[in-house]
Amino acid sequence: DTAVSQTPKYLVTQMGNDKSIKCEQNLGHDTMYWYKQDSKKFLKIMFSYNNKELIINETVPNRFSPKSPDKAHLNLHINSLELGDSAVYFCASSQDIGADQPQHFGDGTRLSIL
Amino acid sequence: LAKTTQPISMDSYEGQEVNITCSHNNIATNDYITWYQQFPSQGPRFIIQGYKTKVTNEVASLFIPADRKSSTLSLPRVSLSDTAVYYCLVGEWSNDYKLSFGAGTTVTVRA
Repeated sequence: DTAVSQTPKYLVTQMGNDKSIKCEQNLGHDTMYWYKQDSKKFLKIMFSYNNKELIINETVPNRFSPKSPDKAHLNLHINSLELGDSAVYFCASSQDIGADQPQHFGDGTRLSIL
Repeated sequence: LAKTTQPISMDSYEGQEVNITCSHNNIATNDYITWYQQFPSQGPRFIIQGYKTKVTNEVASLFIPADRKSSTLSLPRVSLSDTAVYYCLVGEWSNDYKLSFGAGTTVTVRA
């Protein structure tokens, strides 16, 4: 049983397309996150939801839109994909919001823009 | 927002102790310090967390001096399987929720 699962694992598409990445956690956590990891391994937080409510919204192009249908799911939709969007996107969850809450990460979705 | 800096890479040999220091000069009162380990093609994995002084678990120790402007992750007697990227994360939850990952330290353990 994978605690935090993301689909797809790999995503290859062309510039200008719209794509979605799905994330599900079966840990019963209240908080979920999306991170972007670039080729230099920098991990940057993009969004965070707590009980389906947006609590972190970093400076991310509005082409990126998260959606949380319920506490166990946080999906990421990307419109008009650009070359610079190529990266690995990680979903994570934690029991609750709070700096003392360890996060559990999925294994990432590698997005490649042609 | 507390910014973090850590060394880009460190080399070690099996059986040695590895110490990775993360600097967070602007750490705020409510910030916690958390360390994660990441293997290739996997997501980061929680190792240890602390607020002040010393914390130890079955995997590592975390040393935090009184001023909390830095923290040191200590991996005792490393093995080849400890080769990974190690990230320091400083997080704050007060009026707003802020998280700041370090750039990661690539630790290479050789036989």
